[in-house]
Amino acid sequence: DQQVKQNSPSLSVQEGRISILNCDYTNSMFDYFLWYKKYPAEGPTFLISISSIKDKNEDGRFTVFLNKSAKHLSLHIVPSQPGDSAVYFCAAAGKTSGTYKYIFGTGTRLKVLA
Amino acid sequence: DAGVTQSPTHLIKTRGQQVTLRCSPKSGHDTVSWYQQALGQGPQFIFQYYEEEERQRGNFPDRFSGHQFPNYSSELNVNALLLGDSALYLCASRWGGGAGNTIYFGEGSWLTVV
Repeated sequence: DQQVKQNSPSLSVQEGRISILNCDYTNSMFDYFLWYKKYPAEGPTFLISISSIKDKNEDGRFTVFLNKSAKHLSLHIVPSQPGDSAVYFCAAAGKTSGTYKYIFGTGTRLKVLA
Repeated sequence: DAGVTQSPTHLIKTRGQQVTLRCSPKSGHDTVSWYQQALGQGPQFIFQYYEEEERQRGNFPDRFSGHQFPNYSSELNVNALLLGDSALYLCASRWGGGAGNTIYFGEGSWLTVV
């Protein structure tokens, strides 16, 4: 049962354009959402997060949008740079049994073309 | 400020053997989680430790066990290794077992079972 889904395994974008990565979740208990970037042979690096009480959070070139009614979040990268080429994971967190549990999607490989 | 550190970075084990992986959390963090990431997949939650107790567990067999020490560091033990246990094992830490906060990952331990 995949509670967090990233339906696009890969995405190619021209340098300078916008990259939009999508993520869907199924469980209404999730109230905190995060995006991570992962380069080969490295651990995931935190990018940006959003609480369920907000619908948008910005940090520099990165913006995360949350649509709770659709159980959907997206990460926008503007402008995209070749160094952004990596695998991006979304994660959703919710409280169960007194502690928060974090569930990850399967990732989207972003390739930014120079 | 030291981030999450894991050891060893790479190791090769034979089927049936046992392995212990170690993790020191980021300074100020008291909650440690372990994830398994197979090639082409997202991180799969193994378990979470807070206040030296296992608080949450994912869908992994009892061959996977762990421990958290008073200084918040943690170990992951895997017994009776199978070929399918070959993966990147990630440790993640955060502050506050009951709160939804950002989790930070280490570089991971690459386990190959032959």
